[in-house]
Amino acid sequence: DIQMTQSPSSLPASLGERVTISCRASQGISSNLNWYQQKPDGTIKPLIYYTSNLQSDVPSRFSGSGSGTDYSLTISGLEPEDFAMYYCQQDASFPWTFGGGTKLELK
Amino acid sequence: EIQLQESGPGLVKPSQSLSLTCSVTGYTITSGYDWSWIRKFPGNKMEWMGYISNSGSTNYNPSLKIRISISRDPSKNQFFLQLNSITTEDTATYYCASGSFDYWGQGVMVTVSS
Repeated sequence: DIQMTQSPSSLPASLGERVTISCRASQGISSNLNWYQQKPDGTIKPLIYYTSNLQSDVPSRFSGSGSGTDYSLTISGLEPEDFAMYYCQQDASFPWTFGGGTKLELK
Repeated sequence: EIQLQESGPGLVKPSQSLSLTCSVTGYTITSGYDWSWIRKFPGNKMEWMGYISNSGSTNYNPSLKIRISISRDPSKNQFFLQLNSITTEDTATYYCASGSFDYWGQGVMVTVSS
């Protein structure tokens, strides 16, 4: 299985700040990397697919980048609704696997 | 818009089987996409469990292969999860999702306890 390592696990930040969450795969995944947001009520929202493509209705302050084994999610200008859990996930090979999550918290 | 809704018991006894239903609206499950089950454990770990394709074939996470079955009822536009030989380690929130996880249900919390 491909192991996905996310960092940091917890990220305190302020409104308006720019933050970056990292995700490293245990082997190359050829940009087959997706990002999800989970709200405190448990709702999961897809944010980005194939490394850098925004899902519809995702604000442009979200962006993704990376290649090979290293990927990142950047949020530029944090809004109150952005404080949530974030997960990366690879679908390069089965079984599809997730990172351990990053909790974005209000500082 | 595609919408998914999980349903099933919130409490299951150890050694029993867990059965969950995902009801889909806004899209016919035989028209396309794969239809997955994913779970999130206490402590935040997430696991893709498996999917049933629009043609009815299945693909399971090897970690669950001997315990899991995913099936469907096209007439009701539903697909199902059955997980056998449940233990307390199966306590989690279970989600159904479509395609490349583009659409998700809201999740159902399942506790395994005697």
